[in-house]
Amino acid sequence: GAGVSQSPSNKVTEKGKDVELRCDPISGHTALYWYRQSLGQGLEFLIYFQGNSAPDKSGLPSDRFSAERTGGSVSTLTIQRTQQEDSAVYLCASSGRNTGELFFGEGSRLTVL
Amino acid sequence: QKEVEQDPGPLSVPEGAIVSLNCTYSNSAFQYFMWYRQYSRKGPELLMYTYSSGNKEDGRFTAQVDKSSKYISLFIRDSQPSDSATYLCCNYGGATNKLIFGTGTLLAVQP
Repeated sequence: GAGVSQSPSNKVTEKGKDVELRCDPISGHTALYWYRQSLGQGLEFLIYFQGNSAPDKSGLPSDRFSAERTGGSVSTLTIQRTQQEDSAVYLCASSGRNTGELFFGEGSRLTVL
Repeated sequence: QKEVEQDPGPLSVPEGAIVSLNCTYSNSAFQYFMWYRQYSRKGPELLMYTYSSGNKEDGRFTAQVDKSSKYISLFIRDSQPSDSATYLCCNYGGATNKLIFGTGTLLAVQP
């Protein structure tokens, strides 16, 4: 498909386990964002990649969170030693222009038991 | 204070009503102002996009920006049940490329 693809769509894990969430952006889009959406909290910025520039990691909530983007395309968000407060929907978005028009995937819903 | 403030609702209106959704922001460096619509269990999608103060109309939707008061509005005319969704205001610009979102307003249009 031509849209942003995220996997898995749902993930249930036990507290303390590591999880990896994957994002496949729209082909040709140089910018990639990760946001977290919790109930009633809106979208919380996590990290931003733009081309080959150093990523803006200012939104990562703790050192348990990390993300990488390989070859300027696919991105993986990793959460180590998951906690219950990590339960949320993790949304990925990509953009081809520096104007704020983002194309979002449908999200990965993470539940930490 | 959050950079973007938005009443979370929920807001329930009858079909055909005019809906007014509002948002305030604190960072005067913001240059772009957007409204995203998010249906249940879907990702947000861009609905309206404005660059400057004033009004922008697109069909039944009108976006209004007042930079002097840092106030953003979205008006929906002749609301339809299909408009039932969460509406997120979003600001962008300044020193970073982060989009800052409000908490979203949940709208329900009753048939």
